[in-house]
Amino acid sequence: GQSLEQPSEVTAVEGAIVQINCTYQTSGFYGLSWYQQHDGGAPTFLSYNGLDGLEETGRFSSFLSRSDSYGYLLLQELQMKDSASYFCAPMDTGRRALTFGSGTRLQVQP
Amino acid sequence: EAQVTQNPRYLITVTGKKLTVTCSQNMNHEYMSWYRQDPGLGLRQIYYSMNVEVTDKGDVPEGYKVSRKEKRNFPLILESPSPNQTSLYFCASSRDRASNQPQHFGDGTRLSIL
Repeated sequence: GQSLEQPSEVTAVEGAIVQINCTYQTSGFYGLSWYQQHDGGAPTFLSYNGLDGLEETGRFSSFLSRSDSYGYLLLQELQMKDSASYFCAPMDTGRRALTFGSGTRLQVQP
Repeated sequence: EAQVTQNPRYLITVTGKKLTVTCSQNMNHEYMSWYRQDPGLGLRQIYYSMNVEVTDKGDVPEGYKVSRKEKRNFPLILESPSPNQTSLYFCASSRDRASNQPQHFGDGTRLSIL
């Protein structure tokens, strides 16, 4: 079966650091992707973790622990434009399909 | 410019009137997929295609059909739409099945079935 948990909402201030956690149960887990979606927009790819550890892409980093079925997205030096929904999306080996949950709505305040 | 194009962007129609949402990508991607997005439920996969003439059901395929006759196109067909299919639909493509390949999403199609 598949299940996914992320916080529904997170609020932070400009310049701060925020961590969005994700726990999953995915049959045949293959890797974990993160996507960003602004209101009214399409999801856009942020990062992918296939192995345990940290992946860094500019202000964004993503972490995976396969043994804990856990990952997180770390956003540093928050900017107003980072206000969006963030989805963790585990992928299974069979369909190679992403499972998206309800996402985490991040609100960045001045 | 690399893109996934969906049409129409918005559609209001009535129950039972067949409709097709087109999706086209210009990146020569093998893998294409349709999702629907509903408040509180996130994105759920409807159908996917690994390559031409290869399609399979996702998590919520009931009431939908797809075809993949050419690599670039992956239309979503609602033969007899019903109000519970009112939703925001996204088409996505990626280079292949490899999990580290990002999916590129279209801008979405907002369907209202009355």
